[in-house]
Amino acid sequence: EAQVTQNPRYLITVTGKKLTVTCSQNMNHEYMSWYRQDPGLGLRQIYYSMNVEVTDKGDVPEGYKVSRKEKRNFPLILESPSPNQTSLYFCASSYRGGAGNTIYFGEGSWLTVV
Amino acid sequence: AQSVSQHNHHVILSEAASLELGCNYSYGGTVNLFWYVQYPGQHLQLLLKYFSGDPLVKGIKGFEAEFIKSKFSFNLRKPSVQWSDTAEYFCAVNANTGTASKLTFGTGTRLQVTL
Repeated sequence: EAQVTQNPRYLITVTGKKLTVTCSQNMNHEYMSWYRQDPGLGLRQIYYSMNVEVTDKGDVPEGYKVSRKEKRNFPLILESPSPNQTSLYFCASSYRGGAGNTIYFGEGSWLTVV
Repeated sequence: AQSVSQHNHHVILSEAASLELGCNYSYGGTVNLFWYVQYPGQHLQLLLKYFSGDPLVKGIKGFEAEFIKSKFSFNLRKPSVQWSDTAEYFCAVNANTGTASKLTFGTGTRLQVTL
């Protein structure tokens, strides 16, 4: 079954404690990205990756890091989380970058930073 | 830069009422358009998409959307809503920038269907 899998699904952490949200897709997609969803703001792109070792900033990259060492994995790293990073995070992937590709989403990761 | 506007933030309808959710985008070039639905506590699911061809697109669960290029609009419609359609609906645009693939989302419309 085609899937985008995120872990953890739910996490409460404290300010400053580094955390990583993993994302894995089994569709051999080249393109992967991270979004955050906040009430009244919709979804905003944090980072994206066009392929292995190719990453770039989205609209709201501050406070986040990513890496793409393997095609299937695209972890999101919060080096020093702060309360304003409390949000619902979605990982997404598509076959290629560029318009004309349907983007598939993971089930989301609820992150609370206290 | 592309942007997407969803003018209705919260819509309340009775079952069997007709639905139309507005979506307007701003981008002068070629775009691909999407509607996603998010049921309470769940992830985003693709309802329908427009890439090219017939501007009237039919999706799952009886939804359809019409792309009107001259109006930069992609409104979502359903003739008769059901209680199970209660969800948040997001319009999204993927502009053809040639390289990056970036979905720009609207802020969402929360649909509440009452019995």
